[in-house]
Amino acid sequence: AAGVIQSPRHLIKEKRETATLKCYPIPRHDTVYWYQQGPGQDPQFLISFYEKMQSDKGSIPDRFSAQQFSDYHSELNMSSLELGDSALYFCASSPRQRRAYNSPLHFGNGTRLTVT
Amino acid sequence: AQKITQTQPGMFVQEKEAVTLDCTYDTSDQSYGLFWYKQPSSGEMIFLIYQGSYDEQNATEGRYSLNFQKARKSANLVISASQLGDSAMYFCAMREGAGNQFYFGTGTSLTVIP
Repeated sequence: AAGVIQSPRHLIKEKRETATLKCYPIPRHDTVYWYQQGPGQDPQFLISFYEKMQSDKGSIPDRFSAQQFSDYHSELNMSSLELGDSALYFCASSPRQRRAYNSPLHFGNGTRLTVT
Repeated sequence: AQKITQTQPGMFVQEKEAVTLDCTYDTSDQSYGLFWYKQPSSGEMIFLIYQGSYDEQNATEGRYSLNFQKARKSANLVISASQLGDSAMYFCAMREGAGNQFYFGTGTSLTVIP
């Protein structure tokens, strides 16, 4: 079965640089989520999109932005990178259902960002 | 208040034994879903099992089962016949009503001892 595809798997950037992470959700999944997971921490919700519109916003810094495109893929843009941005970034997708609480999130393998 | 509480930062279990990972949740919604995820050291987040708030039977998926006690607001994961490959971080999560947000606990690190 198709899974959530994230690229790149690993990314090394210097402070103050920019980074773009890409996510391709499972086909027919119209909701995309971005999470940030620091070392030894639980995933922290950043932002989500439904049908190409932002639906929820979590603890996403102003230096970060994201969007979902017409083909449902999503990109997380990160600017003015800081050392503290080093983390595992997950994208997850879910189909939108009337009973949303039934739907698990399906995660990609993550992008490991290291800021030096 | 924390939506999901996992009170066991680390657990050890002998290979082939069963282990229970605790999870309690906090919600005022009548409709919600509870999920468990496994995160091995390689980093991927793997969906294991789901329990809906209206489900009367405890969910089971192979060696995984969920001990759902609604009145106590607990949704403990039981892994039977532990294997070395079960060593990983385990996260409990909840989704409320029609909401988009997933709430994660802080995770439990499970180590299976040969």
